[in-house]
Amino acid sequence: NAGVTQTPKFRVLKTGQSMTLLCAQDMNHEYMYWYRQDPGMGLRLIHYSVGEGTTAKGEVPDGYNVSRLKKQNFLLGLESAAPSQTSVYFCASSYAQSTSNYGYTFGSGTRLTVV
Amino acid sequence: AQKVTQAQTEISVVEKEDVTLDCVYETRDTTYYLFWYKQPPSGELVFLIRRNSFDEQNEISGRYSWNFQKSTSSFNFTITASQVVDSAVYFCALTRNAGNMLTFGGGTRLMVKP
Repeated sequence: NAGVTQTPKFRVLKTGQSMTLLCAQDMNHEYMYWYRQDPGMGLRLIHYSVGEGTTAKGEVPDGYNVSRLKKQNFLLGLESAAPSQTSVYFCASSYAQSTSNYGYTFGSGTRLTVV
Repeated sequence: AQKVTQAQTEISVVEKEDVTLDCVYETRDTTYYLFWYKQPPSGELVFLIRRNSFDEQNEISGRYSWNFQKSTSSFNFTITASQVVDSAVYFCALTRNAGNMLTFGGGTRLMVKP
């Protein structure tokens, strides 16, 4: 029972390069989220999805795109990486309605450095 | 708009001391959920507790306890007899309803020294 799996775990990009972060969940959760974590700022929501084929902007969406072609996968793309996107990225998933005491399941994070 | 404030950015205690981590939230919703997560040095987020706005009962789990007070919009977390393994960053978070996006506080880094 893997829960939420993020790949890759670490990545170093040069400014202007592109990359895609993959999030996969095996819990049949409807909702999926991408957060970024920066020192002293907690986690901030980038984009989220309430179901297959749907996406929406969160608090800090600029510079990112997302897609959810399959219910179990939520991709985060950086088209032209910038040093300001150096961060730790967390994916999470949840049911649409509360069906368990845990609510949200987080991946282990992706540490991205843009040089 | 929702907001979560963790005013203590860093706390340092000596092992076996009790420590309280403060969390103050703002929301206009009458139904909401509050969470605490622990982020150890390894980096993952570990769920600790969820509390809904209808339930103001305090909760105790081993050395951990939570004090939820709607009157002051606070959801404070106390560790009794702290241990070195409690050293981590702790996040308080709020959501409007289950399955919605979480709003996180800035986190409190707790350092427990032997």
